[in-house]
Amino acid sequence: GEDVEQSLFLSVREGDSSVINCTYTDSSSTYLYWYKQEPGAGLQLLTYIFSNMDMKQDQRLTVLLNKKDKHLSLRIADTQTGDSAIYFCAETDSWGKLQFGAGTQVVVTP
Amino acid sequence: GAGVSQSPSNKVTEKGKDVELRCDPISGHTALYWYRQSLGQGLEFLIYFQGNSAPDKSGLPSDRFSAERTGGSVSTLTIQRTQQEDSAVYLCASSLVPSGGATTQETQYFGPGTRLLVL
Repeated sequence: GEDVEQSLFLSVREGDSSVINCTYTDSSSTYLYWYKQEPGAGLQLLTYIFSNMDMKQDQRLTVLLNKKDKHLSLRIADTQTGDSAIYFCAETDSWGKLQFGAGTQVVVTP
Repeated sequence: GAGVSQSPSNKVTEKGKDVELRCDPISGHTALYWYRQSLGQGLEFLIYFQGNSAPDKSGLPSDRFSAERTGGSVSTLTIQRTQQEDSAVYLCASSLVPSGGATTQETQYFGPGTRLLVL
């Protein structure tokens, strides 16, 4: 099975908060990442967290890391229609190779 | 400045033909990665270059796949005798230095990808 797991779909109403969850397996990953992919577009780095942190906030984005449970989450506050996309969490090895989850499709409804 | 560019953006080929996909990383980026994204397999790592050498080729799915990098810059991914299961979007990324490690976080910047369709 995959080393990084995510739920596949999330529907959220505009203005609400979205929470996307991810579990990973490589406890030696130094950084964990969230990438965003909009339809027909490439991958865009949204945010990352260093493995010795448990929270990082960046404007509307909050990343929570539970290293003991190998659980990562991304919270998007005040979700907008422009947030509709596929979100990937990823861990890295020492070469920097990214191991991605399957992606969570977020659909924002009016 | 310019981002990572890839060419062609789309490629349609017949089963059994060879294809070459090109990646131009951001100038000065020493690390270069190839990934592919397909419906059945999600996003998969293929190969990593540091300069012109490839210390990690573990993701190449078969010996039909090869890649090279010259001058520490442009990289070419070659697929020989293409099969229908090779149909995917091939993504290239570069970073200033390798993205892993204990002390540095180096963002991987992705290109727009080459969409390959093997008929």
